Amino acid sequence: QSALTQPPSASGSPGQSVTISCTGTSSDVGAYNYVSWYQQHPGKAPKLMISEVSKRPSGVPDRFSGSKSGNTASLTVSGLQAEDEADYYCSSYAGSNIFVFGTGTKVTVL
Amino acid sequence: EVQLVESGGGLAQPGGSLRLSCAASGFTFTTYWMHWVRQAPGKGLVWVSRIKTDGTATGYADSVKGRFTVSRDNAKDTLYLQMNSLRAEDTAVYYCAREIRAGLDPWGQGTRVTVSS
Repeated sequence: QSALTQPPSASGSPGQSVTISCTGTSSDVGAYNYVSWYQQHPGKAPKLMISEVSKRPSGVPDRFSGSKSGNTASLTVSGLQAEDEADYYCSSYAGSNIFVFGTGTKVTVL
Repeated sequence: EVQLVESGGGLAQPGGSLRLSCAASGFTFTTYWMHWVRQAPGKGLVWVSRIKTDGTATGYADSVKGRFTVSRDNAKDTLYLQMNSLRAEDTAVYYCAREIRAGLDPWGQGTRVTVSS
């Protein structure tokens, strides 16, 4: 049960796009289309942004999109806005009722 | 409104026990898998446990297996986490969350657990 690997930080100017990677293994990310992404602002509970690799829950702006290739999933935030500055975490089902989170990425809007 | 409210956190001694509760409202609790996730101070999210709708299947992170037990009372719409043999490294904010299509939504506000002598 090793954590999924994310870059510690990412940044972009308002209006630009930023992409965050989430690398796992053939036992988690590569095995299931059950990758989700969460946004967490300081002192707040996480919020689901993407589920099942690329599905946006109701209320999540379409600036947020997800994809997966092999053992790596990605979250892209297009048209960066100041309120997108937060920590982002990926998660994947790993079989046998086990889930695993990523190491987290701090997104800074320059 | 869908809501999850955790309680039961506090200070525990190493080797001690605590039981966390998560009261659910605004949805049909019996039809959802539920999770516990924790976050140590200044650190990232760590998945802890999952329980099936009827409590007949569970999963645990290796770090808590054999020490923590997840359970639920569907008559009371409440999720529990019994934490035994607590260690300093269990110090964290503990969140409960509902699973929807393998995503967790919503999350509770969290309850803080501190393990220290």
